Amino acid sequence: EPEVTQTPSHQVTQMGQEVILRCVPISNHLYFYWYRQILGQKVEFLVSFYNNEISEKSEIFDDQFSVERPDGSNFTLKIRSTKLEDSAMYFCASSAGGLSNEQFFGPGTRLTVL
Amino acid sequence: AQKVTQAQTEISVVEKEDVTLDCVYETRDTTYYLFWYKQPPSGELVFLIRRNSFDEQNEISGRYSWNFQKSTSSFNFTITASQVVDSAVYFCALSEVASGTYKYIFGTGTRLKVLA
Repeated sequence: EPEVTQTPSHQVTQMGQEVILRCVPISNHLYFYWYRQILGQKVEFLVSFYNNEISEKSEIFDDQFSVERPDGSNFTLKIRSTKLEDSAMYFCASSAGGLSNEQFFGPGTRLTVL
Repeated sequence: AQKVTQAQTEISVVEKEDVTLDCVYETRDTTYYLFWYKQPPSGELVFLIRRNSFDEQNEISGRYSWNFQKSTSSFNFTITASQVVDSAVYFCALSEVASGTYKYIFGTGTRLKVLA
């Protein structure tokens, strides 16, 4: 069964460093998402991406964040200069579209900023 | 604005007890989808169920059942004869068709502890 994959599973970085979180969505999917979950809190929407552009972003998704689909298979989230409060689990999701637009979630990347 | 409320922060039950997790949502959209996810200690999100706003029929899947009531904007989840393996955080989520992006709005989750 096709699944969304994310790498790495755990990333540790120093404050101020750039990080890139990688996702491989399901191959025929058209809509891509990033969500964030700070430890012990709810899952929050960050950004949605369709047709090679951002379709919606939350207020969390400020200028430090960017997304890209560089090669037609990967979908990346970049944080330019990490802050302590960026420490969280980041989930990628993809969907084929359609009325229900069911999203399939990856296993997540746990980002720890020291 | 859309919102999902899970008022129960944590529930503890003894194995074999039945437990109901509450979910109340707010939306102005007439077409929307509701979801339940399980998040075990390992951290991944495990899909449990999807329900659209036009289908109020309750669903049963093994020990799990869901009660969707549009009149009260609730989508409650019951586990019958709970087991220790059911211990996890459970999230309810809402997706509105009118949003265009179909982003999911999650509740704050309910931590379920099933004691042996």
